[in-house]
Amino acid sequence: GQNIDQPTEMTATEGAIVQINCTYQTSGFNGLFWYQQHAGEAPTFLSYNVLDGLEEKGRFSSFLSRSKGYSYLLLKELQMKDSASYLCAVMDSNYQLIWGAGTKLIIKP
Amino acid sequence: IAGITQAPTSQILAAGRRMTLRCTQDMRHNAMYWYRQDLGLGLRLIHYSNTAGTTGKGEVPDGYSVSRANTDDFPLTLASAVPSQTSVYFCASSEGSGHNNEQFFGPGTRLTVL
Repeated sequence: GQNIDQPTEMTATEGAIVQINCTYQTSGFNGLFWYQQHAGEAPTFLSYNVLDGLEEKGRFSSFLSRSKGYSYLLLKELQMKDSASYLCAVMDSNYQLIWGAGTKLIIKP
Repeated sequence: IAGITQAPTSQILAAGRRMTLRCTQDMRHNAMYWYRQDLGLGLRLIHYSNTAGTTGKGEVPDGYSVSRANTDDFPLTLASAVPSQTSVYFCASSEGSGHNNEQFFGPGTRLTVL
């Protein structure tokens, strides 16, 4: 079966760095996406990785290792507005997104 | 530019009733999707359409139907609602259906079936 695993909840301090991990087992791989979802709102796109390595975009970076079935999202200089759920999704061989349950990130002052 | 809109925002429905959730996008995207989001679970794909005139089944299609008569609209119909269909429903669209196609989401419809 297809499976995406990520921690249910994480807590971090304002100004700090946090890494949210995602491991996956899917039928085929056509890229990995990270989305941000604030409570009661729609998911919004953060990043896309299809090749191994690190993609940096401002305070957010995303890493992929296809051989390990592993990705992480790195958030630097955390701000209170970063409190949200972070969703990992893998595009499978049918070009459909398989979604993890999301990691709720709580930022404390 | 509105992007992608959904209606209604929320709805309480009696079991057995028919309900259509509306979704419209103005980005001229080819692909559109319907997901449901339940607590503790990832988004699950109900139905999708890669282009106007075509539709396909996702992971959880039973009890739902869709149509794609034109590029902009992708309504989702529950023929006879059941309590297990209580969920938040998101419509999404993307320019294409291949890799590296970011999906844009509507604001969601919160549906309660009693």
